[in-house]
Amino acid sequence: GAVVSQHPSWVICKSGTSVKIECRSLDFQATTMFWYRQFPKQSLMLMATSNEGSKATYEQGVEKDKFLINHASLTLSTLTVTSAHPEDSSFYICSASVDRGLYEQYFGPGTRLTVT
Amino acid sequence: QKEVEQNSGPLSVPEGAIASLNCTYSDRGSQSFFWYRQYSGKSPELIMSIYSNGDKEDGRFTAQLNKASQYVSLLIRDSQPSDSATYLCAVDTGGFKTIFGAGTRLFVKA
Repeated sequence: GAVVSQHPSWVICKSGTSVKIECRSLDFQATTMFWYRQFPKQSLMLMATSNEGSKATYEQGVEKDKFLINHASLTLSTLTVTSAHPEDSSFYICSASVDRGLYEQYFGPGTRLTVT
Repeated sequence: QKEVEQNSGPLSVPEGAIASLNCTYSDRGSQSFFWYRQYSGKSPELIMSIYSNGDKEDGRFTAQLNKASQYVSLLIRDSQPSDSATYLCAVDTGGFKTIFGAGTRLFVKA
């Protein structure tokens, strides 16, 4: 149980284009989803937290107009990187959780974005 | 500022030995504690959660929590080369305010 998928697993795009990443909880309903990015040999950096049907809460320093998050249902959240630049190249990972007071997060497999 | 501290390692242990990973946290009000394993190039995987003082065992893994000392540890018994990974300690400071440590790299030598 507690399986989270992400699509695509890797993507290469040209500078200035937008990329959408999907995160789905496959066997549970996720009340809260999280988006992280991770640079090589560095720790996870939380970008934003989203709850179904409400606006995402972005961490300080994360541009909400550049990283658009939509938590459309209890099983789907999307992250759109708009006007991507090479410095946006990173490993993007989503996680999902059920609000039952345990606060466990289940991570998707991640999406490796390369902007050329 | 709330923090979670881990020794970055690498921690190197021989196959079959016990690996001991440690973590300290700054927010005394924290109630939920987690260990995640992350293989190189992969996403983190939840391996243990602990919520009360004492030990919690799951197979070869034992998590230990001491809230008075603000200390969490993970013991891996009979370590295998496949346990070689980065282990992330995570602390929830209240309602999905989870802080991750930077991780400890573990190498298990065959």
